[in-house]
Amino acid sequence: DGGITQSPKYLFRKEGQNVTLSCEQNLNHDAMYWYRQDPGQGLRLIYYSQIVNDFQKGDIAEGYSVSREKKESFPLTVTSAQKNPTAFYLCASSPGPRGNSPLHFGNGTRLTVT
Amino acid sequence: LAKTTQPISMDSYEGQEVNITCSHNNIATNDYITWYQQFPSQGPRFIIQGYKTKVTNEVASLFIPADRKSSTLSLPRVSLSDTAVYYCLVGAVYNQGGKLIFGQGTELSVKP
Repeated sequence: DGGITQSPKYLFRKEGQNVTLSCEQNLNHDAMYWYRQDPGQGLRLIYYSQIVNDFQKGDIAEGYSVSREKKESFPLTVTSAQKNPTAFYLCASSPGPRGNSPLHFGNGTRLTVT
Repeated sequence: LAKTTQPISMDSYEGQEVNITCSHNNIATNDYITWYQQFPSQGPRFIIQGYKTKVTNEVASLFIPADRKSSTLSLPRVSLSDTAVYYCLVGAVYNQGGKLIFGQGTELSVKP
Protein backbone atom coordinates (compact mmCIF):
# COMPACT_ATOMS: atom_id res chain seq x y z
CA ASP A 1 0.00 0.00 0.00
CA GLY A 2 1.86 3.07 -1.27
CA GLY A 3 1.83 6.39 0.44
CA ILE A 4 3.58 9.04 2.49
CA THR A 5 4.31 8.53 6.15
CA GLN A 6 4.98 11.40 8.48
CA SER A 7 6.09 10.78 12.01
CA PRO A 8 5.38 11.48 14.72
CA LYS A 9 1.81 12.79 14.51
CA TYR A 10 2.34 15.06 17.52
CA LEU A 11 5.65 16.51 18.68
CA PHE A 12 6.44 18.68 21.66
CA ARG A 13 9.70 20.55 22.17
CA LYS A 14 11.16 23.21 24.38
CA GLU A 15 12.13 26.53 22.91
CA GLY A 16 15.74 26.61 21.73
CA GLN A 17 15.88 22.95 20.70
CA ASN A 18 16.22 21.74 17.15
CA VAL A 19 13.72 19.10 16.08
CA THR A 20 13.57 16.87 13.00
CA LEU A 21 10.32 15.80 11.34
CA SER A 22 10.34 12.60 9.35
CA CYS A 23 8.80 12.09 5.90
CA GLU A 24 9.06 8.81 4.01
CA GLN A 25 7.38 7.82 0.74
CA ASN A 26 7.20 4.50 -1.10
CA LEU A 27 5.56 5.88 -4.23
CA ASN A 28 8.86 6.09 -6.14
CA HIS A 29 8.25 9.81 -6.60
CA ASP A 30 11.12 12.08 -7.56
CA ALA A 31 9.81 15.32 -6.05
CA MET A 32 9.07 16.00 -2.39
CA TYR A 33 7.80 19.08 -0.56
CA TRP A 34 7.38 20.54 2.91
CA TYR A 35 4.51 22.89 3.72
CA ARG A 36 3.57 24.68 6.89
CA GLN A 37 -0.02 25.38 7.89
CA ASP A 38 -1.12 27.72 10.69
CA PRO A 39 -4.67 27.77 12.13
CA GLY A 40 -7.17 29.07 9.59
CA GLN A 41 -4.46 29.58 7.00
CA GLY A 42 -3.53 28.02 3.70
CA LEU A 43 -0.36 26.06 3.04
CA ARG A 44 2.98 27.84 2.76
CA LEU A 45 5.92 26.19 1.01
CA ILE A 46 9.07 25.73 3.11
CA TYR A 47 11.39 23.63 0.92
CA TYR A 48 11.08 21.34 -2.06
CA SER A 49 13.28 18.82 -3.79
CA GLN A 50 12.95 17.64 -7.37
CA ILE A 51 15.65 15.00 -7.21
CA VAL A 52 17.97 13.29 -4.77
CA ASN A 53 20.77 15.48 -3.40
CA ASP A 54 19.09 18.66 -4.60
CA PHE A 55 16.58 21.00 -2.94
CA GLN A 56 15.37 24.59 -3.17
CA LYS A 57 13.96 27.11 -0.74
CA GLY A 58 10.28 27.88 -0.78
CA ASP A 59 8.66 31.06 0.49
CA ILE A 60 9.40 30.60 4.20
CA ALA A 61 12.68 28.67 4.42
CA GLU A 62 14.28 30.78 7.16
CA GLY A 63 14.85 28.75 10.32
CA TYR A 64 14.42 25.41 8.55
CA SER A 65 16.80 22.95 6.92
CA VAL A 66 16.32 19.80 4.85
CA SER A 67 18.30 16.97 3.30
CA ARG A 68 17.54 14.61 0.44
CA GLU A 69 20.09 11.80 0.64
CA LYS A 70 17.62 9.12 -0.43
CA LYS A 71 14.74 9.22 -2.88
CA GLU A 72 12.32 7.93 -0.24
CA SER A 73 13.18 10.36 2.52
CA PHE A 74 12.99 14.15 2.97
CA PRO A 75 13.45 15.07 6.65
CA LEU A 76 12.79 18.63 7.83
CA THR A 77 14.72 20.16 10.73
CA VAL A 78 13.12 23.03 12.58
CA THR A 79 15.98 24.96 14.12
CA SER A 80 16.04 27.28 17.09
CA ALA A 81 16.32 30.15 14.60
CA GLN A 82 12.68 29.67 13.54
CA LYS A 83 10.79 32.36 15.46
CA ASN A 84 7.34 30.76 15.47
CA PRO A 85 7.80 27.02 15.01
CA THR A 86 4.46 25.88 16.44
CA ALA A 87 2.41 24.76 13.42
CA PHE A 88 1.05 21.84 11.42
CA TYR A 89 3.69 20.51 9.01
CA LEU A 90 2.75 18.65 5.84
CA CYS A 91 4.98 16.63 3.55
CA ALA A 92 4.01 15.86 -0.04
CA SER A 93 5.42 14.15 -3.08
CA SER A 94 4.81 14.03 -6.82
CA PRO A 95 6.28 12.00 -9.68
CA GLY A 96 8.37 15.01 -10.57
CA PRO A 97 8.70 17.61 -13.27
CA ARG A 98 8.12 15.18 -16.13
CA GLY A 99 4.35 15.30 -15.89
CA ASN A 100 1.44 16.97 -14.19
CA SER A 101 0.37 14.45 -11.58
CA PRO A 102 -1.14 15.91 -8.42
CA LEU A 103 0.58 16.11 -5.08
CA HIS A 104 0.22 13.26 -2.59
CA PHE A 105 0.21 14.39 1.02
CA GLY A 106 1.02 12.73 4.32
CA ASN A 107 -1.22 13.27 7.34
CA GLY A 108 1.05 15.82 8.92
CA THR A 109 2.97 16.41 12.12
CA ARG A 110 1.66 18.90 14.64
CA LEU A 111 4.61 20.57 16.34
CA THR A 112 4.19 22.48 19.58
CA VAL A 113 7.11 24.45 20.98
CA THR A 114 6.84 25.95 24.46
CA LEU B 1 2.90 31.98 -10.78
CA ALA B 2 -0.84 32.26 -11.24
CA LYS B 3 -2.61 33.79 -8.24
CA THR B 4 -5.95 32.32 -7.25
CA THR B 5 -8.91 33.90 -5.49
CA GLN B 6 -11.63 31.85 -3.79
CA PRO B 7 -14.41 32.69 -1.35
CA ILE B 8 -13.21 32.28 2.22
CA SER B 9 -16.26 30.30 3.30
CA MET B 10 -19.54 28.83 2.07
CA ASP B 11 -22.55 27.25 3.76
CA SER B 12 -24.81 24.58 2.35
CA TYR B 13 -27.36 21.95 3.38
CA GLU B 14 -27.27 18.23 2.90
CA GLY B 15 -28.47 17.11 -0.52
CA GLN B 16 -27.75 20.41 -2.25
CA GLU B 17 -25.32 20.97 -5.09
CA VAL B 18 -22.39 23.18 -4.15
CA ASN B 19 -20.39 25.24 -6.63
CA ILE B 20 -17.10 26.82 -5.57
CA THR B 21 -15.54 29.24 -8.04
CA CYS B 22 -11.86 30.07 -8.26
CA SER B 23 -10.53 33.09 -10.16
CA HIS B 24 -7.12 32.86 -11.82
CA ASN B 25 -6.82 35.76 -14.25
CA ASN B 26 -3.13 35.29 -15.10
CA ILE B 27 -3.22 31.57 -15.77
CA ALA B 28 -0.48 30.49 -18.17
CA THR B 29 -0.92 28.39 -21.27
CA ASN B 30 0.70 25.33 -19.69
CA ASP B 31 -1.09 25.59 -16.35
CA TYR B 32 -3.50 22.95 -15.12
CA ILE B 33 -6.23 23.55 -12.53
CA THR B 34 -6.30 21.17 -9.58
CA TRP B 35 -8.64 21.02 -6.60
CA TYR B 36 -7.84 19.50 -3.23
CA GLN B 37 -9.97 18.74 -0.16
CA GLN B 38 -8.63 18.98 3.37
CA PHE B 39 -10.19 17.74 6.60
CA PRO B 40 -8.96 19.00 9.98
CA SER B 41 -5.60 17.58 11.05
CA GLN B 42 -5.14 15.73 7.76
CA GLY B 43 -3.19 16.37 4.58
CA PRO B 44 -5.03 17.67 1.50
CA ARG B 45 -6.47 15.05 -0.81
CA PHE B 46 -6.69 15.34 -4.61
CA ILE B 47 -10.25 15.73 -5.92
CA ILE B 48 -10.09 16.63 -9.59
CA GLN B 49 -7.88 18.21 -12.23
CA GLY B 50 -8.56 19.79 -15.61
CA TYR B 51 -7.15 21.94 -18.37
CA LYS B 52 -10.23 23.17 -20.27
CA THR B 53 -13.97 22.56 -20.73
CA LYS B 54 -15.45 20.04 -18.31
CA VAL B 55 -14.06 17.15 -16.32
CA THR B 56 -16.12 14.75 -14.24
CA ASN B 57 -15.17 11.93 -11.90
CA GLU B 58 -16.98 9.93 -9.23
CA VAL B 59 -16.59 12.72 -6.70
CA ALA B 60 -17.01 16.05 -8.49
CA SER B 61 -17.15 18.01 -11.73
CA LEU B 62 -14.86 20.80 -12.83
CA PHE B 63 -16.07 23.46 -15.22
CA ILE B 64 -13.53 25.63 -17.03
CA PRO B 65 -14.67 28.35 -19.46
CA ALA B 66 -12.91 28.95 -22.75
CA ASP B 67 -10.79 31.84 -21.44
CA ARG B 68 -9.66 29.67 -18.46
CA LYS B 69 -9.60 32.71 -16.17
CA SER B 70 -11.79 30.95 -13.67
CA SER B 71 -12.95 27.47 -12.76
CA THR B 72 -15.85 26.02 -10.79
CA LEU B 73 -15.76 22.93 -8.63
CA SER B 74 -19.19 21.34 -8.44
CA LEU B 75 -20.06 18.89 -5.66
CA PRO B 76 -23.38 17.13 -6.30
CA ARG B 77 -25.71 16.37 -3.39
CA VAL B 78 -23.31 17.20 -0.54
CA SER B 79 -23.42 15.39 2.77
CA LEU B 80 -22.14 16.31 6.22
CA SER B 81 -18.89 14.51 5.43
CA ASP B 82 -18.14 17.03 2.68
CA THR B 83 -17.52 19.69 5.32
CA ALA B 84 -13.89 20.59 4.66
CA VAL B 85 -11.56 23.20 3.18
CA TYR B 86 -11.26 23.16 -0.60
CA TYR B 87 -8.17 24.51 -2.37
CA CYS B 88 -7.83 25.57 -5.97
CA LEU B 89 -4.30 25.24 -7.30
CA VAL B 90 -3.18 26.56 -10.66
CA GLY B 91 0.08 25.49 -12.16
CA ALA B 92 2.07 22.52 -13.23
CA VAL B 93 5.02 20.94 -11.56
CA TYR B 94 7.00 20.76 -14.75
CA ASN B 95 6.78 24.43 -15.65
CA GLN B 96 7.26 25.90 -12.19
CA GLY B 97 10.28 23.95 -11.11
CA GLY B 98 8.23 22.23 -8.46
CA LYS B 99 7.16 25.39 -6.67
CA LEU B 100 3.43 24.91 -6.20
CA ILE B 101 1.70 27.50 -4.04
CA PHE B 102 -1.62 27.02 -2.27
CA GLY B 103 -4.07 29.86 -1.63
CA GLN B 104 -6.30 30.36 1.41
CA GLY B 105 -8.93 27.85 0.37
CA THR B 106 -12.71 27.82 0.82
CA GLU B 107 -14.14 26.47 4.05
CA LEU B 108 -17.35 24.61 3.20
CA SER B 109 -19.79 23.93 5.98
CA VAL B 110 -22.61 21.46 5.25
CA LYS B 111 -25.55 21.55 7.65
CA PRO B 112 -28.26 18.95 8.20
